[in-house]
Amino acid sequence: AQTVTQSQPEMSVQEAETVTLSCTYDTSESDYYLFWYKQPPSRQMILVIRQEAYKQQNATENRFSVNFQKAAKSFSLKISDSQLGDAAMYFCAYRRAGNTGKLIFGQGTTLQVKP
Amino acid sequence: DTAVSQTPKYLVTQMGNDKSIKCEQNLGHDTMYWYKQDSKKFLKIMFSYNNKELIINETVPNRFSPKSPDKAHLNLHINSLELGDSAVYFCASSQEGGGYYGYTFGSGTRLTVV
Repeated sequence: AQTVTQSQPEMSVQEAETVTLSCTYDTSESDYYLFWYKQPPSRQMILVIRQEAYKQQNATENRFSVNFQKAAKSFSLKISDSQLGDAAMYFCAYRRAGNTGKLIFGQGTTLQVKP
Repeated sequence: DTAVSQTPKYLVTQMGNDKSIKCEQNLGHDTMYWYKQDSKKFLKIMFSYNNKELIINETVPNRFSPKSPDKAHLNLHINSLELGDSAVYFCASSQEGGGYYGYTFGSGTRLTVV
């Protein structure tokens, strides 16, 4: 069974600084997708970034980028130039390839941004 | 236009009652899901429907029954509510694409059983 682990329950960063959230996963599949979701206090789940396992190049979306290490089964999220609006809970998620694959979430990391 | 809408947003009810949560998506997606987020914020899938057909049914008490009248709607009915059912329930949908697409989530329904 696939599992996703986020070992940092809480992280904090100073505004304008950079922070990295960690995620590891376990799977025997070779083809899959990885995601980071943000859940602010409003509780809405917002897709931040996606990575295809078959791509070696790390995904980037504006201030958000990932460090995808397939062999190590590691998928960390880097937030550059942190803003107050980045404060939220962040979930790492895995989905195997195929239309019926379910999204499996990690435990979440609460990010605090200090002004 | 709300992509995935759930009603109600908040639900407070007594133990033993029966309640339903409704979900609708206007994205044209074929697959819909119910997730439960517990008090520790852990998200776990409960059910998934693809074009009205049940494709994922995790280990969930049979007091929980999903119903999909058409591919744009997936409702969750809960019988004989228990204190442990208190949680946030999220509906989500996804389009086919081999798994490339993540899910689009509704805003959640906070269920409190007293």
